[in-house]
Amino acid sequence: EAQVTQNPRYLITVTGKKLTVTCSQNMNHEYMSWYRQDPGLGLRQIYYSMNVEVTDKGDVPEGYKVSRKEKRNFPLILESPSPNQTSLYFCASSPRGGANTGELFFGEGSRLTVL
Amino acid sequence: GQQVMQIPQYQHVQEGEDFTTYCNSSTTLSNIQWYKQRPGGHPVFLIQLVKSGEVKKQKRLTFQFGEAKKNSSLHITATQTTDVGTYFCAGPREGSQGNLIFGKGTKLSVKP
Repeated sequence: EAQVTQNPRYLITVTGKKLTVTCSQNMNHEYMSWYRQDPGLGLRQIYYSMNVEVTDKGDVPEGYKVSRKEKRNFPLILESPSPNQTSLYFCASSPRGGANTGELFFGEGSRLTVL
Repeated sequence: GQQVMQIPQYQHVQEGEDFTTYCNSSTTLSNIQWYKQRPGGHPVFLIQLVKSGEVKKQKRLTFQFGEAKKNSSLHITATQTTDVGTYFCAGPREGSQGNLIFGKGTKLSVKP
């Protein structure tokens, strides 16, 4: 089954404790992206990757890191989480990026709480 | 900077009534996409519009892309309880390779 898989789905952590949210897609998509969703703010892009070893900042990259060493994986790293990073995070992939970004396939979401 | 705005933010309708959400961009878009997110779920792609003035239909849903490619609308005829959710539009950020900018969404509730 074609899917985007995120882990963990739920996480409660404390300020400053490094964490990684994994994202994996099995559709051989070139493009992958991370979004955070907050009430009243909609979906905001954190980072995206056009292909392996190619990543770029989205609208809200501060406090996050990503890597794209393999086509299928695009982990989101919070080196020193803070309470303002409490949010619902979505990973998404697409067959292509660029100006005509194709249909985005979203993961189930990861709800992160930083105390 | 570039903005994608959606109105209304919320819409409450009686089952069977029609519903429309509007998406307006501050810049011309090469294409626009629409997504639906059910409560507690993740966004799911509905459609992509590319051509100026394009109109596409999916059963009770009608999507339009404005002539100037700066606005779009989603119209649902005779809403059902299964239409409940938040509808987002999204378009490519000007000058960016892969940055998709989303509107804040319209949350639809349907009273049976």
